[in-house]
Amino acid sequence: EADIYQTPRYLVIGTGKKITLECSQTMGHDKMYWYQQDPGMELHLIHYSYGVNSTEKGDLSSESTVSRIRTEHFPLTLESARPSHTSQYLCASSGVKTVSGYTFGSGTRLTVV
Amino acid sequence: QKEVEQDPGPLSVPEGAIVSLNCTYSNSAFQYFMWYRQYSRKGPELLMYTYSSGNKEDGRFTAQVDKSSKYISLFIRDSQPSDSATYLCAANDYKLSFGAGTTVTVRA
Repeated sequence: EADIYQTPRYLVIGTGKKITLECSQTMGHDKMYWYQQDPGMELHLIHYSYGVNSTEKGDLSSESTVSRIRTEHFPLTLESARPSHTSQYLCASSGVKTVSGYTFGSGTRLTVV
Repeated sequence: QKEVEQDPGPLSVPEGAIVSLNCTYSNSAFQYFMWYRQYSRKGPELLMYTYSSGNKEDGRFTAQVDKSSKYISLFIRDSQPSDSATYLCAANDYKLSFGAGTTVTVRA
């Protein structure tokens, strides 16, 4: 079944650690996105990609980085985690026509202690 | 100014009531309008989308777009406790712009 997968679902990690949040989709979508969402708050776009080797920063400034080496894979990396990075991170993808909507993963809930 | 504005609520209604959700937008270039539903601790899922002005109905859900007033609406008829979730409106040009989301609770 075509879908979008995020791992891990929950992550508790110490300050200063390097972390990578994984996102993979099996729908063959060219466009992929990372959103940050605090509990009960709105979605903030932090990164997006329109294809392999294409990445752009979103509306909300983030210390994280992303890469897009394969169409199906869009990992997000934090080189040195801080408590201010505690949040939910949602990955999404869309086809050629954005009208088809975004398909979201279940998210990674990150806690930095 | 945000491109899509949505009252975050929260909104609490009794079971069986009609839920009315609204958004406004500022970008005249928006052509496609969507509603997402997000359950707690889950990612948003696409509920409905409409193109330009008009109505679209899907079961108990009706989406309306009025481009002249830049107004987007979602109506949920015969609301059920399982409809309790956060509802996000969205509109697109080259990427989606989301509203803040309205949290809805349907009381049994």
